[in-house]
Amino acid sequence: EVQLLESGGGLVQPGGSLRLSCAASGFTFSNYAMSWVRQAPGKGLEWVAGISGGSDSTYYSDTVKGRFTISRDNFKNIVFLQMNSLRAEDTAVYYCAKDPLRTVVTYFESWGQGTLVTVSS
Amino acid sequence: IVMTQSPATLSVSPGERAILSCRASRSVSRRLVWYQQKPGQAPRLLIYDASTRATGVPARFSGSGSETAFSLTISSLQSEDFAVYYCQQENNWPPTFGQGTKVEI
Repeated sequence: EVQLLESGGGLVQPGGSLRLSCAASGFTFSNYAMSWVRQAPGKGLEWVAGISGGSDSTYYSDTVKGRFTISRDNFKNIVFLQMNSLRAEDTAVYYCAKDPLRTVVTYFESWGQGTLVTVSS
Repeated sequence: IVMTQSPATLSVSPGERAILSCRASRSVSRRLVWYQQKPGQAPRLLIYDASTRATGVPARFSGSGSETAFSLTISSLQSEDFAVYYCQQENNWPPTFGQGTKVEI
């Protein structure tokens, strides 16, 4: 059974940084691209960042490019999201999601339960 | 690509059929996905490639459409189907979601 467990969320001041982690189990982690998808309170879903199975390609939405960095550790089966220069509009539940393919982000066949990031002074 | 879902809210009685619409601002071929999200839960994959049900999804859920117009049909609503449904295109970069349709009693 695929399991994705996010951690690292919390309250941070505007301009601050936070690092999210997602521990994966139940599948061959390096064979699949992984993404982070967020959902602001009461709003819809927004894809944020993705990374190929071998870490050779990373992808970002325009709203976070230059501020967020996605990475993965295929030995420990963890995907990370380093978030810098955080803004109030980054406040959201951040979901870790598994892609059905290895090389490119397409859609999301498994999701974690999410971790809440609140950016506020 | 902008994805537009309608209606925003759909009021349906248990046992009735629900039809949800999703339109793309330009063609996405059949690379269209549907998710279900219940309150306080993560989204769940329902349909991919416009009409293929994901593993474990009941047959009462069906997807159709191509190019710019898609629909999700729930043939006979069960109590557990009341939720928000999102469409997502994965034909063009970046992947984008619709704003969601809430199916309520």
